[in-house]
Amino acid sequence: RKEVEQDPGPFNVPEGATVAFNCTYSNSASQSFFWYRQDCRKEPKLLMSVYSSGNEDGRFTAQLNRASQYISLLIRDSKLSDSATYLCVVSRHYGGATNKLIFGTGTLLAVQP
Amino acid sequence: GAGVSQSPSNKVTEKGKDVELRCDPISGHTALYWYRQRLGQGLEFLIYFQGNSAPDKSGLPSDRFSAERTGESVSTLTIQRTQQEDSAVYLCASSPPAAGTQYFGPGTRLLVL
Repeated sequence: RKEVEQDPGPFNVPEGATVAFNCTYSNSASQSFFWYRQDCRKEPKLLMSVYSSGNEDGRFTAQLNRASQYISLLIRDSKLSDSATYLCVVSRHYGGATNKLIFGTGTLLAVQP
Repeated sequence: GAGVSQSPSNKVTEKGKDVELRCDPISGHTALYWYRQRLGQGLEFLIYFQGNSAPDKSGLPSDRFSAERTGESVSTLTIQRTQQEDSAVYLCASSPPAAGTQYFGPGTRLLVL
């Protein structure tokens, strides 16, 4: 079983739709959580961190449920430019004072005009 | 400021040849990761360097793959006796100390004929 699991999609949605992505992680010792975005043929880039209380950045809302080991990303009012692969990322202790980031394989979103 | 750089940006080689890929992390970043991404696939973790700690080599797919890092600077990923299935984009990322985010380089696109 992979340490970070995501539905690969694709999610095909019309412009203006609301779409939600889910992610589960298996290591309960995971400490920090993130969503990254990867555009086609580009490198991944940080979209937002995920906090226990939930957090919002414009049209994007991220939530974390530590008890269920579950992370979500909600995108409201989808734009064509939101089309990309969304990567769920967790950080866990590796050794000493260091952490290691574990990436999910990503969920592909295609927003249609 | 300067981001993570990788060279070459593209590499075409013949099956059986050795290749060396280079990554220059952001100055001051103690953590450095190598990933492989095949066309249409997710990130595949290869190796993780953190400061002077022993690297995590658990993702290297075979003994044809090796990587080195000098202190907290440049890293090289070497693939010996390349095979066609090694064709992929090889991404490098670095992180500052105790931080949970990564900054990716643009990748090296490797094609083994």
